[in-house]
Amino acid sequence: DTGVSQNPRHKITKRGQNVTFRCDPISEHNRLYWYRQTLGQGPEFLTYFQNEAQLEKSRLLSDRFSAERPKGSFSTLEIQRTEQGDSAMYLCASSPGVDVDETQYFGPGTRLLVL
Amino acid sequence: LAKTTQPISMDSYEGQEVNITCSHNNIATNDYITWYQQFPSQGPRFIIQGYKTKVTNEVASLFIPADRKSSTLSLPRVSLSDTAVYYCLVGDKDSGAGSYQLTFGKGTKLSVIP
Repeated sequence: DTGVSQNPRHKITKRGQNVTFRCDPISEHNRLYWYRQTLGQGPEFLTYFQNEAQLEKSRLLSDRFSAERPKGSFSTLEIQRTEQGDSAMYLCASSPGVDVDETQYFGPGTRLLVL
Repeated sequence: LAKTTQPISMDSYEGQEVNITCSHNNIATNDYITWYQQFPSQGPRFIIQGYKTKVTNEVASLFIPADRKSSTLSLPRVSLSDTAVYYCLVGDKDSGAGSYQLTFGKGTKLSVIP
């Protein structure tokens, strides 16, 4: 396993369009996280899954955002009716989900540009 | 979650030891201190984590004084490839059924000069 992967790496879209990003976590990692990062800032937490259950959502996750992890493996993050303010790097991370080690391993991110 | 304060930027010459200090005055008893490194256009990468005293791994050392209100990441003999943003995070490691949501600040931008 080579780590967390995210696709696409880059996405350019027009305002008002819908976009979907995919994250494949490290195999057998139970926990999956989505973060958003804008230029010059640290990543901001969006949401978190324990297996297929979405257990926590940030206030940053407006109703235009939806995330799924249908079989407890890969996850998708969809943004509907994109706005220019959605332009950011979207990062996915996974962790083993056992008490001893909760180190989060990040993917390379998907950079979104909304025109 | 405890708030952290770290310098916005630091410069260092190649081959020198770099120490980045982070303040976390409101650290809780169960909180661990974790450092991540981030290169441009990449996700953050875990460097080191500790609770008290000193932790050392193959890439860095982490020094935590007895009161745990601060911590220092030490990078020995930096090279140009260590140019990155370094984030100090504080949080509860034992999350049980809850999340281990990471709260990043702006980090310290380290520039290594040849």
